[in-house]
Amino acid sequence: GENVEQHPSTLSVQEGDSAVIKCTYSDSASNYFPWYKQELGKRPQLIIDIRSNVGEKKDQRIAVTLNKTAKHFSLHITETQPEDSAVYFCAASPSGGSNYKLTFGKGTLLTVNP
Amino acid sequence: KAGVTQTPRYLIKTRGQQVTLSCSPISGHRSVSWYQQTPGQGLQFLFEYFSETQRNKGNFPGRFSGRQFSNSRSEMNVSTLELGDSALYLCASRSGGAGETQYFGPGTRLLVL
Repeated sequence: GENVEQHPSTLSVQEGDSAVIKCTYSDSASNYFPWYKQELGKRPQLIIDIRSNVGEKKDQRIAVTLNKTAKHFSLHITETQPEDSAVYFCAASPSGGSNYKLTFGKGTLLTVNP
Repeated sequence: KAGVTQTPRYLIKTRGQQVTLSCSPISGHRSVSWYQQTPGQGLQFLFEYFSETQRNKGNFPGRFSGRQFSNSRSEMNVSTLELGDSALYLCASRSGGAGETQYFGPGTRLLVL
């Protein structure tokens, strides 16, 4: 089955700096890659996702890049703010329909220091 | 639209008991997936239901089961509870078709004593 590795497990940055979280996956059938943010005591919230037909997607301060050949994808957060502090999870799945099955990385605890 | 809801939010059980958790998906969503979240193992996929049928299954023992009703609401059952079943159980819904965006409920925190 799919295996998703996520690094680093913890990341501490100063407010205004950039943060990068990296994930690798094993199953070449995976072509959907979402990122979720989970604040303490709350549900995971989708922040951005990318499908295998594009290499990069951006939404304001957040961007995701995908390298299908190397089987890795990354989350980039620019101009970090204290409210970005949370656990971030990457995930991978084959496309929708009956093959959909999200496999998550173990998470990255991001701390943004004011 | 209302989001995904789960009941109960908190539950305390003892070893050997069984428990049933409930999930109501976003209106119009036909797919409901269940996940177990623990500090050690992270988020692990349990199973997915679509149109009342289990469509996909993770690597959990048969003590974990589920079902889905005609209104897409889903229940998850854990029989013969073990201490290691203590976790946050999350359900998530999506349309189930070509759209893959999945929305999580707030979770049920289960403590097994």
